[in-house]
Amino acid sequence: EPEVTQTPSHQVTQMGQEVILRCVPISNHLYFYWYRQILGQKVEFLVSFYNNEISEKSEIFDDQFSVERPDGSNFTLKIRSTKLEDSAMYFCASRLQGSEGYTFGSGTRLTVV
Amino acid sequence: QQPVQSPQAVILREGEDAVINCSSSKALYSVHWYRQKHGEAPVFLMILLKGGEQKGHDKISASFNEKKQQSSLYLTASQLSYSGTYFCGTGPSGGSYIPTFGRGTSLIVHP
Repeated sequence: EPEVTQTPSHQVTQMGQEVILRCVPISNHLYFYWYRQILGQKVEFLVSFYNNEISEKSEIFDDQFSVERPDGSNFTLKIRSTKLEDSAMYFCASRLQGSEGYTFGSGTRLTVV
Repeated sequence: QQPVQSPQAVILREGEDAVINCSSSKALYSVHWYRQKHGEAPVFLMILLKGGEQKGHDKISASFNEKKQQSSLYLTASQLSYSGTYFCGTGPSGGSYIPTFGRGTSLIVHP
């Protein structure tokens, strides 16, 4: 069964450092997303990406965040200057159509120290 | 607007049934249901797109009551593998069709 692949599975970074989280969505999917989940809390929407541009973003997705789809397969989330409160599990998701459910990747656990 | 899920937690014995509810204060056009096991990604269960729609596979089904602005997830004859946290996601909200997820319902199935 096709899956969404995320790397790395765990990243530890110092406050103020830049991190890039990587995702390979399912190849024929058209819509791509980043979500985050702080430990024990609900899954929160960050950003959606369609047709090579951001289609929606939440209040969490401020100027410190950016996304790219550099080569038609990878989908990355960059956090420019990490803060302690950025520590969370970051999930990438994709779907073929807007009317379908998401396929989530296994996540990247980001720990900012 | 975040949907409200109830109950917050359910503890069952194998073979028992459970119902998880998801309510919204705003009109709903779609409801997603996901199950997340500890330390893993949420797994898509089903999406309901029309009021009155019902769906299911195996012994897990869901209904969508547009008038009541709520959806219910039914787990019948629960198995140990059903344990996890169940999230509903509802949309649209604020002009966005991105679902907003609830806080989740923790389901524990004991042998």
